[in-house]
Amino acid sequence: AQSVTQLGSHVSVSEGALVLLRCNYSSSVPPYLFWYVQYPNQGLQLLLKYTSAATLVKGINGFEAEFKKSETSFHLTKPSAHMSDAAEYFCAVSEGGGSQGNLIFGKGTKLSVKP
Amino acid sequence: NAGVMQNPRHLVRRRGQEARLRCSPMKGHSHVYWYRQLPEEGLKFMVYLQKENIIDESGMPKERFSAEFPKEGPSILRIQQVVRGDSAAYFCASSHPSDSYNEQFFGPGTRLTVL
Repeated sequence: AQSVTQLGSHVSVSEGALVLLRCNYSSSVPPYLFWYVQYPNQGLQLLLKYTSAATLVKGINGFEAEFKKSETSFHLTKPSAHMSDAAEYFCAVSEGGGSQGNLIFGKGTKLSVKP
Repeated sequence: NAGVMQNPRHLVRRRGQEARLRCSPMKGHSHVYWYRQLPEEGLKFMVYLQKENIIDESGMPKERFSAEFPKEGPSILRIQQVVRGDSAAYFCASSHPSDSYNEQFFGPGTRLTVL
């Protein structure tokens, strides 16, 4: 069965610093992987997705993630944090690796950005 | 093109009452998923429906919870005889039947409080 682990429930960076949010997955089949962002009291917005076309995936708002099969990782990065990036970030894998079915989410990482 | 709509956004019920949560998927989307988010937790899958069919309800509690997605109208998640432990945010997501990568679009959620 698939699972997702996000290391670090809280991450704090200074404005302009590198953002690195970690995600490791387990899957017996090639996975589809996603990063979502959630602002307070709102729903989830898709940042980016890995669908096996390219290992480095670029998303919205300057975020990108790299799929590393050997490390079973899909870490999210942004070169320079902005105050508006403060939110909670969720990594998810598609159950069964298929094009349908539920997503399995990590517990989330809350990102704080200090001025 | 409107996104996924959920109503109500906030719902307060007393123990023993019924809660009905509604979800209108994006136009053209016939797949609906319900997830529950508890404080400090990621989203947990509850049920996956297509029009008039429950595809996967493996995440639904066996008692008091039911879901439907009729031919016409929104999807409904129904919780009978609510208890305090049902207090959570409930999110609906939808996807297009032709999507190859299981990209799900989320609604803003319904925050249920049980007194």
